[in-house]
Amino acid sequence: EAGVVQSPRYKIIEKKQPVAFWCNPISGHNTLYWYLQNLGQGPELLIRYENEEAVDDSQLPKDRFSAERLKGVDSTLKIQPAELGDSAVYLCASSLMMNTEAFFGQGTRLTVV
Amino acid sequence: ELKVEQNPLFLSMQEGKNYTIYCNYSTTSDRLYWYRQDPGKSLESLFVLLSNGAVKQEGRLMASLDTKARLSTLHITAAVHDLSATYFCAVDIGTSGSRLTFGEGTQLTVNP
Repeated sequence: EAGVVQSPRYKIIEKKQPVAFWCNPISGHNTLYWYLQNLGQGPELLIRYENEEAVDDSQLPKDRFSAERLKGVDSTLKIQPAELGDSAVYLCASSLMMNTEAFFGQGTRLTVV
Repeated sequence: ELKVEQNPLFLSMQEGKNYTIYCNYSTTSDRLYWYRQDPGKSLESLFVLLSNGAVKQEGRLMASLDTKARLSTLHITAAVHDLSATYFCAVDIGTSGSRLTFGEGTQLTVNP
């Protein structure tokens, strides 16, 4: 069974440019998460979806970050415009339902130059 | 605000030795997870601990949870090189859905 799939794996962009990340969760998983992981640190939650509804986005910097999960399956995370400090790994995770074990994708490593 | 602290943050040990990684957290929770992360890779789920006194073992790793002390431990028995990785504990305090708060991670190096 396929795990959580993310693309691209790596992305290098110039500051002030837009960037988007894509996530396909495990089939049947209703809950989807986006996490940010800075080098040498643990992941931090950006946003959580239950089906297509964003139920926890309190940590998402809404001035430049946006996310969507149309039809309650795939999700995209967008940054516009990107800043140097956004360089990090963006991890997507999914779980069968709320309060169950989360499974992580391989992440997208973003470098802003 | 929930704080999750792991120690040590860096651990270098010899093969065959035993050691324990500690995870302390500041808010009541009865759901705690341990993950492993290899360099450049994603997080692999190791253990799910869902109640006070829970103990789980897989190979040379054993995890336990004491919710009263707000403490989880990850014990390594007779370490081997393949265990070299970064280990994270994550505490879930979500009341209407998961909100994992991760520790800083313990970078483990097992030397031959």
